[in-house]
Amino acid sequence: SQQGEEDPQALSIQEGENATMNCSYKTSINNLQWYRQNSGRGLVHLILIRSNEREKHSGRLRVTLDTSKKSSSLLITASRAADTASYFCVTARSGNTPLVFGKGTRLSVIA
Amino acid sequence: DGGITQSPKYLFRKEGQNVTLSCEQNLNHDAMYWYRQDPGQGLRLIYYSQIVNDFQKGDIAEGYSVSREKKESFPLTVTSAQKNPTAFYLCASSSRQGAINEQFFGPGTRLTVL
Repeated sequence: SQQGEEDPQALSIQEGENATMNCSYKTSINNLQWYRQNSGRGLVHLILIRSNEREKHSGRLRVTLDTSKKSSSLLITASRAADTASYFCVTARSGNTPLVFGKGTRLSVIA
Repeated sequence: DGGITQSPKYLFRKEGQNVTLSCEQNLNHDAMYWYRQDPGQGLRLIYYSQIVNDFQKGDIAEGYSVSREKKESFPLTVTSAQKNPTAFYLCASSSRQGAINEQFFGPGTRLTVL
């Protein structure tokens, strides 16, 4: 399957620092999405980047996509303790196929 | 408020019993999904439905069943055939058939088999 795989599996930083998470996938995609999950809760959609886009911003989030390398990165700037969560990279193929989730990156922001 | 609700939040089941997890949405979404999440893992797709009265198996459908009689509702039954049902179950929906748009998630149901 074309599972997105996040790297690193876990990341611990100090409040105010930037956090970068990476994602790799295997096959062609229509779009790539990032979701956040707070412990024991449902997932929240953060940002979607289409295959013809290279970079997208939303508030403190910056996502890049390199389709030639089949990779994406999520940058969270000026991190806060409230950013502590798991972050999932999700790929969507063309057509009516469901999303495929990776195992996520567990981010801990220490105040 | 629009959104997805799941009930109950916590569910305990004895071995050999079937249980049904509820998922309701008032977002007027066509597609709905059920995922299973085990500790430290990503989400695995159990079943999905792109339209009323139609659904497809996901990657781990064995031991589960669903129905989609109404657009708003997509209940999941965990049957006694599911060998290891203890997990966190998440329901999601999206605004049109297919995976192009974002999915909206419910708060989840944590099922524990005693």
